[in-house]
Amino acid sequence: EDKVVQSPLSLVVHEGDTVTLNCSYEVTNFRSLLWYKQEKKAPTFLFMLTSSGIEKKSGRLSSILDKKELFSILNITATQTGDSAVYLCAVYGSGGSNYKLTFGKGTLLTVNP
Amino acid sequence: NAGVTQTPKFRVLKTGQSMTLLCAQDMNHEYMYWYRQDPGMGLRLIHYSVGEGTTAKGEVPDGYNVSRLKKQNFLLGLESAAPSQTSVYFCASRSDGTEPQHFGDGTRLSIL
Repeated sequence: EDKVVQSPLSLVVHEGDTVTLNCSYEVTNFRSLLWYKQEKKAPTFLFMLTSSGIEKKSGRLSSILDKKELFSILNITATQTGDSAVYLCAVYGSGGSNYKLTFGKGTLLTVNP
Repeated sequence: NAGVTQTPKFRVLKTGQSMTLLCAQDMNHEYMYWYRQDPGMGLRLIHYSVGEGTTAKGEVPDGYNVSRLKKQNFLLGLESAAPSQTSVYFCASRSDGTEPQHFGDGTRLSIL
């Protein structure tokens, strides 16, 4: 059974801090790892990682994948209150053309002013 | 830019009632998914579809049925609602391969 574990489950920081969110996985026939941000409503896509060691960046957010150690991290620098959200990690696996995403339980990030 | 649209946004049902949740996407995506999200449980896949006329079971399919008669629509049905089905339901779609899934805003369903 595919498995995705995120840590920590929740985190409280002050504006300006840098945070690192962790995601480890065990999946059959790994294809890619995705990060989503979920505020009040729909999860919104942040990054998709398929290759080890290549950092994806978007503004203050960045992510990297280690396929050997089966984990990914999401970094947020100079955090702002608008970064407060649940961050979800998900992995495509299990082969075939019917790729299904397996989600972790998420990390709840709270950024205080 | 409609993307993925779910209706209704909120609903309260009594135990034993039936209802259908509608998901519509305007991106011509082949794949569509229904998830439920519960506190501490993350997103769990209920059913999914790989194209018009197809459906398949996900991780937690019991108590739900689905249909995909048209490519742009994916319906989730509860035949006899139970309090354990109180949840937030999300629909998602994607094109092919391992492209990201795009989510609707969710339906908050309470069953009394």
